[in-house]
Amino acid sequence: DTGVSQDPRHKITKRGQNVTFRCDPISEHNRLYWYRQTLGQGPEFLTYFQNEAQLEKSRLLSDRFSAERPKGSFSTLEIQRTEQGDSAMYLCASSRPGLAGGFTGELFFGEGSRLTVL
Amino acid sequence: AQSVTQLGSHVSVSEGALVLLRCNYSSSVPPYLFWYVQYPNQGLQLLLKYTSAATLVKGINGFEAEFKKSETSFHLTKPSAHMSDAAEYFCAVSLSGYSTLTFGKGTMLLVSP
Repeated sequence: DTGVSQDPRHKITKRGQNVTFRCDPISEHNRLYWYRQTLGQGPEFLTYFQNEAQLEKSRLLSDRFSAERPKGSFSTLEIQRTEQGDSAMYLCASSRPGLAGGFTGELFFGEGSRLTVL
Repeated sequence: AQSVTQLGSHVSVSEGALVLLRCNYSSSVPPYLFWYVQYPNQGLQLLLKYTSAATLVKGINGFEAEFKKSETSFHLTKPSAHMSDAAEYFCAVSLSGYSTLTFGKGTMLLVSP
């Protein structure tokens, strides 16, 4: 496994600007997840894909956030009109299907993309 | 909705001492429970998981956890701490039929010589 890679690792932006993060999952993994982590908190679920289909979105994912996985491989997470409250570590994870296609609970995380909104 | 509570944001132990990190869950149905570890500057990785088989689960690096339904707990233990165990540990829960994890706030384990 080459691991889950995220880009950029750090992004500093001004309030109101748009930012986009990219995630490349482990190649044979069909599920891809986005989580957000702020200081003193555990990862909070944002959304997940099975192949190219976005199957679940958290209420944390406001209409300023959009995620895509167009070909079932890499994914992008875009935040429009950033706010200071968006400052966080954005984590991507991927997983393979378990027996009969079920959820194994084993997520492979990238190192995250840290967003700072000034 | 399911959730987990980790007691203690920081736990300090001496090298060689017992490690005990506490996790309590809340779920209306039998949960699946997990412990993840995050070493500095690395992504989270799975330490061990409980999925309704044996209640005592062994994981990597000598860690184990016991599912206790009567106490709604899934505490993580290691008999003897090593300096390399210093990391942040997250308890997480999922339910049958779901495909996402809900994480606790994490516990930072500090190991002193």
